[in-house]
Amino acid sequence: DGGITQSPKYLFRKEGQNVTLSCEQNLNHDAMYWYRQDPGQGLRLIYYSQIVNDFQKGDIAEGYSVSREKKESFPLTVTSAQKNPTAFYLCASSTSWGRAGQPQHFGDGTRLSIL
Amino acid sequence: DAKTTQPNSMESNEEEPVHLPCNHSTISGTDYIHWYRQLPSQGPEYVIHGLTSNVNNRMASLAIAEDRKSSTLILHRATLRDAAVYYCILRVRNQGAQKLVFGQGTRLTINP
Repeated sequence: DGGITQSPKYLFRKEGQNVTLSCEQNLNHDAMYWYRQDPGQGLRLIYYSQIVNDFQKGDIAEGYSVSREKKESFPLTVTSAQKNPTAFYLCASSTSWGRAGQPQHFGDGTRLSIL
Repeated sequence: DAKTTQPNSMESNEEEPVHLPCNHSTISGTDYIHWYRQLPSQGPEYVIHGLTSNVNNRMASLAIAEDRKSSTLILHRATLRDAAVYYCILRVRNQGAQKLVFGQGTRLTINP
């Protein structure tokens, strides 16, 4: 079955460490997105990518970095510059970034915690 | 960004219809209305979307007001598996990007 796979499901980070969250999709979607969700809150956009080798900052990009070297993959790195990284991170994809009628498909998320 | 307003929580009984309201008074002419739902510790799941006309699919119906300033998600016969947080979202365009702006949503509780 096609879908989005995020790994790991749970991740722990020490202070001052960078960590990378994986997101892979086999839906042949051009666009991919990273969102952050804090407890009891809605999702906020971190980064998005419309096409391979291109990505744009979302609303809360500070302290995060991404790459898009392959269509299927859009890893997110949470750097030590992100002062409050504890959150639930969600990856999504969609067929075409320019078509507002197309839904986004989400993975099951990675829960990041600080040790 | 155009915003939506939803009740924080709603409660219904199993096998009864549920009407989840959403206000979006600042919606623009090209904004689509999307609904997603999220179960605990899972990613959001797409439910339905529409532009101007009412829409039906296997999961739900979407009723859109004539002035498009409000909409209602209708679950025709709620089950326990429909208990989730429901988000009403406008698909806005910002510098060419396709962006979902999530509010806090409506937490739907289904009583057996």
